[in-house]
Parts: sequence; C-alpha cells; structure tokens
Amino acid sequence: IAGITQAPTSQILAAGRRMTLRCTQDMRHNAMYWYRQDLGLGLRLIHYSNTAGTTGKGEVPDGYSVSRANTDDFPLTLASAVPSQTSVYFCASNPGTGSVGYTFGSGTRLTVV
Amino acid sequence: ILNVEQSPQSLHVQEGDSTNFTCSFPSSNFYALHWYRWETAKSPEALFVMTLNGDEKKKGRISATLNTKEGYSYLYIKGSQPEDSATYLCATPQNAGGTSYGKLTFGQGTILTVHP
Repeated sequence: IAGITQAPTSQILAAGRRMTLRCTQDMRHNAMYWYRQDLGLGLRLIHYSNTAGTTGKGEVPDGYSVSRANTDDFPLTLASAVPSQTSVYFCASNPGTGSVGYTFGSGTRLTVV
Repeated sequence: ILNVEQSPQSLHVQEGDSTNFTCSFPSSNFYALHWYRWETAKSPEALFVMTLNGDEKKKGRISATLNTKEGYSYLYIKGSQPEDSATYLCATPQNAGGTSYGKLTFGQGTILTVHP
C-alpha cells in the first residue's frame, strides 16, 4: 500500500543522546515535511524538503537536522535530545504543490527523559 | 508565519445534529486552503483542498466552502455520527510569489465529539 512509513513508532530516549527518526515514502512525492504535535500548539513545521537534495527550516528547527539524499527518505535527527523535544513527530509528503493534500505517516511518539 | 485560526476549539453534539466550524486565514497572497480529519491514534487525513473563491466541496455528509476575499472557510457536517468524532484541521500553504511548494501552516483544530 502506497504511503509513508515512520520508524520507530515510539521511543524513550535519555537526554543528551542522539536519535534519528526515519521516514520513507513510496509515492515519488517531491516534497516532504517534518511536523511536531504538542498539546495546545497544534502541528508545527520543523524542516521541509521541496525536492531531493534540498532542505529548508520550518517554524521550529532548533535542535533538529534533516537530510534528503534521495526522493524516498527524509530522516530527522536530534543531535543531543532535550526534554522539550518530547513530542509526537509526523512526517508528511505531497507532490510539491500546495493545491494537493498531504499524506501523513503514522507518527513517532518520542519521550526524552 | 501565517496566522490560521479555528473556532470553536471543541464542540459536543448529539448524533443526528448538523454542525459547522470555521477556519480564518490571511486573505492576502492566498493560494489554497486544506481541511484534514484527524482521528485519535491515527494520522491526519486530507478531506478537501480548495483554491478558488466561492469553491464548495463535498464528501458524503461533509462539505466545505471558501471565501478568499474575507479569509474564511466553513466545514459542515450534516447528520453527525459518532464516527465523525475527530479533530478537524485547516491549513494554508505559505505562499511565495504566487507559487507554493506546499509548506502548510495549520490551525490548532476543532475537536468534535458526537454523542450517541
């Protein structure tokens, strides 16, 4: 089934540790996005990529990095996790135009302790 | 950062009631307006994407209208059912010079609970 796969589903991480959240899509979408969901704050954009080889910062990029080596994969890395990065992380994609809806992954629930 | 507002924050209705909620967004440099349904423990699912002033879209008992001149969209649910219980999100792309790669700014959502 075409879509987005995120891994892991959930993770408890010690503060200071490095962690990579994986996101893979099989729809050949150009654009991919990482959002975090926090209670009362909704979905906020962390980083995005308009096409393979390019990335950009969203609304809340500090403490996160991304790469886009190919069309399918868009990993999100926390270099040194802090408790404020406890959140649910959603990866999304679309063909690269704002007139087409996003496809979302199922999310990664991350707890930093 | 665009300001996308949704109201009400939450809504409780009885099965069979019709309901509606609002999304407000900046009317300048408008490109598109998205609606998503987000059920608990699932991921958001696209309902509608509207681009033209006066657009009206329908999917079963759910419909949406768009007014780009005044910057609002309404989502309507006719004859609500318990399975309609979800958070409904609206979002608009951050436009840049008339094109958009689709970076969406989301509202905080309206939480709908339909009681049997």
